[in-house]
Amino acid sequence: SQQGEEDPQALSIQEGENATMNCSYKTSINNLQWYRQNSGRGLVHLILIRSNEREKHSGRLRVTLDTSKKSSSLLITASRAADTASYFCATAGHKAGTALIFGKGTTLSVSS
Amino acid sequence: KAGVTQTPRYLIKTRGQQVTLSCSPISGHRSVSWYQQTPGQGLQFLFEYFSETQRNKGNFPGRFSGRQFSNSRSEMNVSTLELGDSALYLCASSLVSGPAETQYFGPGTRLLVL
Repeated sequence: SQQGEEDPQALSIQEGENATMNCSYKTSINNLQWYRQNSGRGLVHLILIRSNEREKHSGRLRVTLDTSKKSSSLLITASRAADTASYFCATAGHKAGTALIFGKGTTLSVSS
Repeated sequence: KAGVTQTPRYLIKTRGQQVTLSCSPISGHRSVSWYQQTPGQGLQFLFEYFSETQRNKGNFPGRFSGRQFSNSRSEMNVSTLELGDSALYLCASSLVSGPAETQYFGPGTRLLVL
């Protein structure tokens, strides 16, 4: 079963605009991660935010985490056509091991 | 450093057959995880191997199995294929096993079951 649920399912914007994707999850987590996938290929790790962190930045990416609401958001600033991809949030629990539970993803389309 | 490699990249099988997929992790990485991606169910965790031992297992039937070799390369096997097994199978490697480890994904093996 899916832990994370992304919102919206699809997002279309123009180059230069900001894109915001949201993720909600159900159970307590160790951390939450965001991944990007281009056209059904492998996933690329974007950023990891731990449960005791509230905000994290990496280049044009900004991630927030609200554990009280069990939600996270990914903001991509000044979007480029190359940002066109599917974005997934994934949660890691507290037990040993590296299993990630993924949401169904947000498909972002950036047009020039 | 070479990334995660998966072979084969594409595979067509018929119902009832079995299939073996291979994954070579990034050099030095000892943990390998497998995921199944389908349009309906999304990305689902299959299992994780670390130092040749299965560390975690997802909610999949026993037809799905895997193993890891001493060089950390991993294989997954699906026996008695069903149409619903058609999917993109992704493997990911990480340095060690742990919830905060960054996982590096391979390009996937696309399996079509006819």
